[in-house]
Amino acid sequence: AQTVTQSQPEMSVQEAETVTLSCTYDTSENNYYLFWYKQPPSRQMILVIRQEAYKQQNATENRFSVNFQKAAKSFSLKISDSQLGDTAMYFCAFMKQGGSNYKLTFGKGTLLTVNP
Amino acid sequence: DTGVSQDPRHKITKRGQNVTFRCDPISEHNRLYWYRQTLGQGPEFLTYFQNEAQLEKSRLLSDRFSAERPKGSFSTLEIQRTEQGDSAMYLCASSFGDRREETQYFGPGTRLLVL
Repeated sequence: AQTVTQSQPEMSVQEAETVTLSCTYDTSENNYYLFWYKQPPSRQMILVIRQEAYKQQNATENRFSVNFQKAAKSFSLKISDSQLGDTAMYFCAFMKQGGSNYKLTFGKGTLLTVNP
Repeated sequence: DTGVSQDPRHKITKRGQNVTFRCDPISEHNRLYWYRQTLGQGPEFLTYFQNEAQLEKSRLLSDRFSAERPKGSFSTLEIQRTEQGDSAMYLCASSFGDRREETQYFGPGTRLLVL
């Protein structure tokens, strides 16, 4: 079974600054996907970024980028130029590739507050 | 394409009552997932459909829970004889089902409160 650990329950950052959210995972699988989802207060969960484990290049999406360290089983999210709208709960998630079930295994989340 | 929708958005019920939730996935998606999220936790997998076939159920899904996806379109999740411990956010997600694109898109959730 896979486990995902987010060791930072809460974080805060000043607007326009950079913040990094941590995620580690445990798996015996070699092929998998990793995701960061964002859940704003009282709003639905949306995908921020995804990474295929076979790709060595770190994924980027505008102000969001990841640092994927496969050997260390680490998958951190960097948010640059933080905006007030980035305030949300951020979840790291793991998905095994292959087989018949592509369920997501989530961490407990990190509550990020962006301060003006 | 209006995304994944769920109905109702909120449900308050008394212990022992039955409740049913509905999920409408993105139209071309053939995989549909149900998750449960309690306060301060990440979502936990409940069950999964490939078209109309229910392929896996979590041990979290007791025999009081049943899910269906008739004709591979919308899905329903029913909880019979609700208990206070069933209070949670129930999330639905769908994905295209192509192994090149397994990203799941979530609905807004149904928040259940059992009194």
